[in-house]
Amino acid sequence: DTGVSQDPRHKITKRGQNVTFRCDPISEHNRLYWYRQTLGQGPEFLTYFQNEAQLEKSRLLSDRFSAERPKGSFSTLEIQRTEQGDSAMYLCASSARGVNEQFFGPGTRLTVL
Amino acid sequence: GQQLNQSPQSMFIQEGEDVSMNCTSSSIFNTWLWYKQDPGEGPVLLIALYKAGELTSNGRLTAQFGITRKDSFLNISASIPSDVGIYFCAGENNDMRFGAGTRLTVKP
Repeated sequence: DTGVSQDPRHKITKRGQNVTFRCDPISEHNRLYWYRQTLGQGPEFLTYFQNEAQLEKSRLLSDRFSAERPKGSFSTLEIQRTEQGDSAMYLCASSARGVNEQFFGPGTRLTVL
Repeated sequence: GQQLNQSPQSMFIQEGEDVSMNCTSSSIFNTWLWYKQDPGEGPVLLIALYKAGELTSNGRLTAQFGITRKDSFLNISASIPSDVGIYFCAGENNDMRFGAGTRLTVKP
């Protein structure tokens, strides 16, 4: 399977704990995106990388959130001091250079108790 | 919050019927895309539109990029049970904005 993969698929954590998610994009794609999706809504943009550079961050990305893509391949999204309002599906997508079509992974569903 | 208004919110149709849904925005977009999402999965790209007025088909699906660049529609012809899911429109400039989705239920 050469699509976008995400790990873990599900994460249950207690409020106040830190969590980290991983995304592996399609191998030749240089752009990688993170989104958050809550029930009944479409995905909301969080941030995106072109190669290893983080080029844009949404105001939704509070200072408890940090994303990295150190080698321009896989990316991690960390949430520190989780809150119940962080419960959502976190989606990763990737796209090729010069192409606006984004391909999504299966998502990581986070539940904060 | 969402900048795209997608309608209808939900549809209940009989197998074999045609379906139409649309998306409007107060903003102009360079690209319109339509995705389908099944429960517990990520969205899957159905159709991408790049030019105002463009009409593109993918099997039983047809989508159009509105002339004003502020709207798009998606039609599904002769629906089948596996068309069930949530359909999202998305508009892209420098980042991508999604509608809230249209939940489609197909009764056999």
